[in-house]
Amino acid sequence: GDSVTQMEGPVTLSEEAFLTINCTYTATGYPSLFWYVQYPGEGLQLLLKATKADDKGSNKGFEATYRKETTSFHLEKGSVQVSDSAVYFCALIPTGGGNKLTFGTGTQLKVEL
Amino acid sequence: EAQVTQNPRYLITVTGKKLTVTCSQNMNHEYMSWYRQDPGLGLRQIYYSMNVEVTDKGDVPEGYKVSRKEKRNFPLILESPSPNQTSLYFCASRELQGGSYEQYFGPGTRLTVT
Repeated sequence: GDSVTQMEGPVTLSEEAFLTINCTYTATGYPSLFWYVQYPGEGLQLLLKATKADDKGSNKGFEATYRKETTSFHLEKGSVQVSDSAVYFCALIPTGGGNKLTFGTGTQLKVEL
Repeated sequence: EAQVTQNPRYLITVTGKKLTVTCSQNMNHEYMSWYRQDPGLGLRQIYYSMNVEVTDKGDVPEGYKVSRKEKRNFPLILESPSPNQTSLYFCASRELQGGSYEQYFGPGTRLTVT
């Protein structure tokens, strides 16, 4: 079945550091890929998405590129802020939509001054 | 404002005492779903619904029931809660056809079963 693998956290960075959170997936065809963010005490919010190979999703300074050849969708940000501290989930939905999102286990990011 | 609401946000109960967590969305979405979030396991789908009166099991349906009598509401029912159902629960909704498949999540319900 479909699966998503994320790097384990927590990831602790200083403010203005470069961020990479790795995400790889297993799925047939061309799934749609997502990054969701969960701030403390809140539900999940869509951060960015990509629906086909080589698409780059971007939002709030975060970027991720859909790499079909490496089945990856790594999240990057050039300069993190304390306000980026949250849990980040990589997820996919199968080709054609399907009936559910498959999530990775989440990566907690802590940004310190 | 487009949103998914859940109630209650926090609930402590005892083993065997039936409870219902409500979920409501105001976006006229056909698809609704329940997930549970546990440390190290990410989010796992419990049940989903493609439209009114159409529901189906997700990955971890044991011990749960749902109903979809109205398009906007999708309550989660625990007939006889057990401690292993202590978790953080999220309701979500999205359009069924076309669109970006973006799911909108509620704020979560933290359930503790003692």
